[in-house]
Amino acid sequence: AQSVTQLGSHVSVSEGALVLLRCNYSSSVPPYLFWYVQYPNQGLQLLLKYTSAATLVKGINGFEAEFKKSETSFHLTKPSAHMSDAAEYFCAVSGGAGNMLTFGGGTRLMVKP
Amino acid sequence: EAQVTQNPRYLITVTGKKLTVTCSQNMNHEYMSWYRQDPGLGLRQIYYSMNVEVTDKGDVPEGYKVSRKEKRNFPLILESPSPNQTSLYFCASSGDFVEQFFGPGTRLTVL
Repeated sequence: AQSVTQLGSHVSVSEGALVLLRCNYSSSVPPYLFWYVQYPNQGLQLLLKYTSAATLVKGINGFEAEFKKSETSFHLTKPSAHMSDAAEYFCAVSGGAGNMLTFGGGTRLMVKP
Repeated sequence: EAQVTQNPRYLITVTGKKLTVTCSQNMNHEYMSWYRQDPGLGLRQIYYSMNVEVTDKGDVPEGYKVSRKEKRNFPLILESPSPNQTSLYFCASSGDFVEQFFGPGTRLTVL
């Protein structure tokens, strides 16, 4: 069975500061890993995905994530937070039966001026 | 524009009154899926479909039904809704069975 743990349900940073959102996963098969962002009252938008190519994955809006197999982690980072980054972020792993995406509980990112 | 659409976007109903939430995609995707989102739990899969007439249970299928008679449509049916089905529902589709594209969500309240 797959699982995803996102450490910290709420993260607060100052504008311009580093954003680090943590994600650890477990999977019995080589995983595909995803980060999605959800803005208020909107659906999920794909930020980036890891599909067994380069371990450092660059996504939209300046975000990137690094796949570390030894640590079973896929943390999301952005060097400098912007007010528009305030949203909820979900890490997800795929590879189980029926292509099911298993999601973490989500991390709400708040950006202070 | 390539998209997944859901209707209605908002729905308030009462316990036991059958309802259907529609989902349609215009990307010719074979794979479609339904998730529910609850605070602190992320999204959990309800049902999925690998192709027309092929559906299977996800993590939380109890109280839900689906059908896949056409490739583009994947309705979610609640035959006797209960308050614990109050949630935010998302439909998704995939063409490569890797990346899933999500609809805008349907917020359901069951009184």
